Amino acid sequence: EDQVTQSPEALRLQEGESSSLNCSYTVSGLRGLFWYRQDPGKGPEFLFTLYSAGEEKEKERLKATLTKKESFLHITAPKPEDSATYLCAVQGGNAGKSTFGDGTTLTVKP
Amino acid sequence: DAGITQSPRHKVTETGTPVTLRCHQTENHRYMYWYRQDPGHGLRLIHYSYGVKDTDKGEVSDGYSVSRSKTEDFLLTLESATSSQTSVYFCAITPAEGRGSPLHFGNGTRLTVT
Repeated sequence: EDQVTQSPEALRLQEGESSSLNCSYTVSGLRGLFWYRQDPGKGPEFLFTLYSAGEEKEKERLKATLTKKESFLHITAPKPEDSATYLCAVQGGNAGKSTFGDGTTLTVKP
Repeated sequence: DAGITQSPRHKVTETGTPVTLRCHQTENHRYMYWYRQDPGHGLRLIHYSYGVKDTDKGEVSDGYSVSRSKTEDFLLTLESATSSQTSVYFCAITPAEGRGSPLHFGNGTRLTVT
């Protein structure tokens, strides 16, 4: 059974204070690890896909990295508009089924 | 916007009544999914479809059924709603071709069972 654990549950940062979110996973035959952003009242929005250990992806202030057991979402010099819940998910096997972690709720104070 | 519409956006219903939620896509993607999201449980897969009339169960399928008679529509039915089915329901789609494909989500249906 695929499992995803995210930490911390909640993270409060001052604007400009860099930090990282963790996603630990177990999966049989990783087909992809995904990061999503979710704003209140909205569906999750896709950010990154990582396929193999050592891979990195960047977008603006966000950088995602992947090892064989975990992924990190690094946030550099965050702004208040980065406040959201960040979800990690893995796909193993076929049919595109994804297993999600419970998310990390990030609050960035100005 | 991934071209996914969920309806209704909000619904309040009584215990024991049937409820149907609709997901409509304009992307012509093969795979469609229904997830529920609850505090402390994250997103959990209810049912999914890999083509017209082809569906399968997810991890929390008890009390739910689905149907897909057209590529663009995926219906989730609660035959007899219970308070434990109060949740936010999300539909998602993906082409799921080749390596892992990300899901694209609708904006959810908030269901309250009283």
